Amino acid sequence: GDSVTQTEGPVTLSEGTSLTVNCSYETKQYPTLFWYVQYPGEGPQLLFKVPKANEKGSNRGFEATYNKEATSFHLQKASVQESDSAVYYCALSEAGAKLTFGGGTRLTVRP
Amino acid sequence: SVLLYQKPNRDICQSGTSLKIQCVADSQVVSMFWYQQFQEQSLMLMATANEGSEATYESGFTKDKFPISRPNLTFSTLTVNNARPGDSSIYFCSSRLGGREQYFGPGTRLTVL
Repeated sequence: GDSVTQTEGPVTLSEGTSLTVNCSYETKQYPTLFWYVQYPGEGPQLLFKVPKANEKGSNRGFEATYNKEATSFHLQKASVQESDSAVYYCALSEAGAKLTFGGGTRLTVRP
Repeated sequence: SVLLYQKPNRDICQSGTSLKIQCVADSQVVSMFWYQQFQEQSLMLMATANEGSEATYESGFTKDKFPISRPNLTFSTLTVNNARPGDSSIYFCSSRLGGREQYFGPGTRLTVL
């Protein structure tokens, strides 16, 4: 079946530093890839999605490129802020629209 | 996008009892999903519920333990039967419109004593 593997947390950074959260996936089909963010006490929120290989998605300064050859979808941000502290989930969806989530990466940004 | 509301926000119940979690969407949606999230862990899909048909359960989840109803295009309920401490977790509903992305409710935190 499908699977998603991402950087194990927790990750702690200082404000203004750069972030990379690795995500790799396995699937036999043609998935849409997502990054979701979950703040404490809330449900996951869609950060952005990328439906096509070799395209980039972005939102709020976060970005990721759908690399079909490497089966990767790494999340990056050039300069993190304290408000970015949350848990980040990489996910994929096949034609049946089921979401398969990675294990999540907890990010803490220190002021 | 779609907004989802869940009720209750949290609940505490005794082992062996049953409880019901409601999920309401602010617009008609094709599919609704239910997820379970244990503390500090990822989300696990429990079942998919389409209007007017039986829910489809994922491995490890059964209709007897977690019956789901989907009476119309904006509403779904998840029941936890014979609750056990191991069922203590957060339950989320989600839905999608036409695309593959899903939108999540705020969750219901369940504690079983």
